[in-house]
Amino acid sequence: EAGVTQFPSHSVIEKGQTVTLRCDPISGHDNLYWYRRVMGKEIKFLLHFVKESKQDESGMPNNRFLAERTGGTYSTLKVQPAELEDSGVYFCASSQDVRGSMGTGELFFGEGSRLTVL
Amino acid sequence: AQSVTQPDIHITVSEGASLELRCNYSYGATPYLFWYVQSPGQGLQLLLKYFSGDTLVQGIKGFEAEFKRSQSSFNLRKPSVHWSDAAEYFCASRPYSGAGSYQLTFGKGTKLSVIP
Repeated sequence: EAGVTQFPSHSVIEKGQTVTLRCDPISGHDNLYWYRRVMGKEIKFLLHFVKESKQDESGMPNNRFLAERTGGTYSTLKVQPAELEDSGVYFCASSQDVRGSMGTGELFFGEGSRLTVL
Repeated sequence: AQSVTQPDIHITVSEGASLELRCNYSYGATPYLFWYVQSPGQGLQLLLKYFSGDTLVQGIKGFEAEFKRSQSSFNLRKPSVHWSDAAEYFCASRPYSGAGSYQLTFGKGTKLSVIP
């Protein structure tokens, strides 16, 4: 079974440019999450999809970030325009059950997409 | 608000030595607690989790963690470290219930180096 896959693994862009990160969750997982780790800081929650609906986007830093999950399958996270402070590693995770697998509590994470804004 | 503290940013141990990584949580009630590991080039992998019951939890790769309510701690241990254990370790918590209970709160991580 394929795990959570993220693309690209690393992206280097200039300040003001646009970047789109993609996440393919584990097949059949309705719940999809985005997290971010800025250098030297904690991994922080960005948002949560249940199928194609945004369940919680309270962690999104500002309106330069746009997440979509068309058809309830893969998700994209667009940063437009990118700023220096957006640099970090963006993790995607998925889980099968509602509310992050209340039975097991396990979120399955991808390898992350490293974003460097120059 | 929840918080998770991992006081050690970087730990170096010799192969074969024992290991203990510290984690303290701050929350009104006992949350769900987790340890994740990120090896180079890999995603975050769940090592173990605590929900309730036995306070000593066994995980994968020979790791265990002990929940101590009186100390608000959930320290990760391994009796004998292998070179392949070199990685970054993250402690995380999630509320037992309520709004946002699907959000994980992470510590800053502890990077483990293993000397051959």
